[in-house]
Amino acid sequence: DVKVTQSSRYLVKRTGEKVFLECVQDMDHENMFWYRQDPGLGLRLIYFSYDVKMKEKGDIPEGYSVSREKKERFSLILESASTNQTSMYLCASSWTGDADEQFFGPGTRLTVL
Amino acid sequence: AQSVTQLDSQVPVFEEAPVELRCNYSSSVSVYLFWYVQYPNQGLQLLLKYLSGSTLVKGINGFEAEFNKSQTSFHLRKPSVHISDTAEYFCAVSVVQPDMRFGAGTRLTVKP
Repeated sequence: DVKVTQSSRYLVKRTGEKVFLECVQDMDHENMFWYRQDPGLGLRLIYFSYDVKMKEKGDIPEGYSVSREKKERFSLILESASTNQTSMYLCASSWTGDADEQFFGPGTRLTVL
Repeated sequence: AQSVTQLDSQVPVFEEAPVELRCNYSSSVSVYLFWYVQYPNQGLQLLLKYLSGSTLVKGINGFEAEFNKSQTSFHLRKPSVHISDTAEYFCAVSVVQPDMRFGAGTRLTVKP
């Protein structure tokens, strides 16, 4: 079974802190994604990566950055956390075929105080 | 670019009743369509997907969906729901990787 794991299920941080969210997949997928999930808005893509050290902005990249130094690991970084970044963050991975589904991690619920 | 509209934000039903969760999409080219389910405090998992061929797609847990190209719809159905089907359901559309678009979600609540 494909497994996507995220480093924390729940995280509480203070405004202005630097926050790291880690994601690891074990299926040798090329693509990895970070989404933000908010009620009534569904999933919005923050960043994705199609290869090591390669990244592309999604729909809402402002206030975030990413890092992919190894194929299996994709990190989301909040340089200076703000209260409007309180949300559920979902990591996903997939192969590169157009019809390939994405496999999701359990999510990290981040609260910024 | 493609987009997805889930027509109901919440659907309450009684146990053993049938249910339909509605999804319409917009795209100028052929698409791939997906339904995902999210149980409380979990990530999303794939229920079923339509790639091509038969317009009726069967998925896990007794769910099925019908692709209707003329109506640009991909509604999800189950003939008899269980309490354990209570979850949030997301419709998604993809044209090319990695651009998958998700709907806002439909919260299905199954009551005893």
